[in-house]
Amino acid sequence: GENVEQHPSTLSVQEGDSAVIKCTYSDSASNYFPWYKQELGKRPQLIIDIRSNVGEKKDQRIAVTLNKTAKHFSLHITETQPEDSAVYFCAARGFDEKLTFGTGTRLTIIP
Amino acid sequence: DAGITQSPRYKITETGRQVTLMCHQTWSHSYMFWYRQDLGHGLRLIYYSAAADITDKGEVPDGYVVSRSKTENFPLTLESATRSQTSVYFCASSVDRDRDEQYFGPGTRLTVT
Repeated sequence: GENVEQHPSTLSVQEGDSAVIKCTYSDSASNYFPWYKQELGKRPQLIIDIRSNVGEKKDQRIAVTLNKTAKHFSLHITETQPEDSAVYFCAARGFDEKLTFGTGTRLTIIP
Repeated sequence: DAGITQSPRYKITETGRQVTLMCHQTWSHSYMFWYRQDLGHGLRLIYYSAAADITDKGEVPDGYVVSRSKTENFPLTLESATRSQTSVYFCASSVDRDRDEQYFGPGTRLTVT
């Protein structure tokens, strides 16, 4: 099955700076890559996703890039704000149509 | 978000007992999923269902049973609870196979003593 690795596990950035979280996947047939944000004690919520036929997608301060050749994708958050503090999960949908999640990145924004 | 609910929100049970976690969605979504969340492991798929009466195993199905007699309900049963099943359990749903976003329930925190 699919295997997703996510780095770093923790990340602290100064407010206003950018944050980057990286994930790699193993199944070359994977075609869908979502990112979920989970605030403390809350449920995961989708913030952005990308499909394998697209290299980059942007939504305001959030962007995701995909490199199919290298089998990695990244989440970029610019102009970080305190409300960006949360745990972020990447995921990949493999040949079996199931989502496999990374282990999460705890992002802390320092005021 | 009120469209997918889980009950109970918190549960403490003893080793060996059977416990059922409930999941209910009001959107008539075809797909439903059960995940467990543990530190260092992220979210791991236990079981999923593509429609009523259709279920399939995920990554960590051992010790769990599911059923889906109605589209809106997807209960998860731990047949004989073990301490290793102490976790936060999330139910999720998605519209269909082509519309991919999964909507998560609020979670159930289960402690097995």
